[in-house]
Amino acid sequence: EIVLTQSPGTLSLSPGERATLSCRASQSVSSSYLAWYQQKPGQAPRLLIYGASSRATGIPDRFSGSGSGTDFTLTISRLESEDFAVYYCQQYGSSPWTFGQGTKVEIK
Amino acid sequence: EVQLLESGGGLVQPGGSLRLSCAASGFTFSSYAMSWVRQSPGKGLEWVSAISGSGGTTYYADSVKGRFTISRDNSKNTLFLQMNSLRAEDTAVYYCAKAGDSSGYSDSDYWGQGTLVTVSS
Repeated sequence: EIVLTQSPGTLSLSPGERATLSCRASQSVSSSYLAWYQQKPGQAPRLLIYGASSRATGIPDRFSGSGSGTDFTLTISRLESEDFAVYYCQQYGSSPWTFGQGTKVEIK
Repeated sequence: EVQLLESGGGLVQPGGSLRLSCAASGFTFSSYAMSWVRQSPGKGLEWVSAISGSGGTTYYADSVKGRFTISRDNSKNTLFLQMNSLRAEDTAVYYCAKAGDSSGYSDSDYWGQGTLVTVSS
């Protein structure tokens, strides 16, 4: 099983600042099958990024994903008020699919 | 518009059984794999199970293997999760999610709102 470790656990930033979230895998993720999701309280997760770097439909271009192998990054270029949430990475290259433990982006 | 509506959650005693359903609409159901993902109160996401578009291939997390069974009825656009031998640690909101392709080796691009399963005596 591929274990995904996200860091930091919590990121305290102000609107307009840049957010950089990390997701590290215990072994190489096949074909960059890595996704990022956003979840707000009381809501279902929303797909942001798939294939490590492709934005899902309707996702603003301030969200970008990068990385390959075992190291992946989600970057939010300029935080807006609606971006404060919990973010999860997920690998779907080998069964069982697994999620990271999440990074909370909170208002400083 | 893609819609996924879960049902079947509720309170069940340890050792009991429950069957979750997910009614899908707005896309060609049989062309896409589907998954169940759960979230215990205040915790992160945990992938539970997935099934290919045809229903011929299934995948399970080790934590539910042998106790849960995923299935689908493509004629009724419905996904199921049969949960047996339930434990307190199975308490969670269960989400149904649509995959991006038919194989299952895909992200989940649409999610339902979830159904709460509580295992307690």
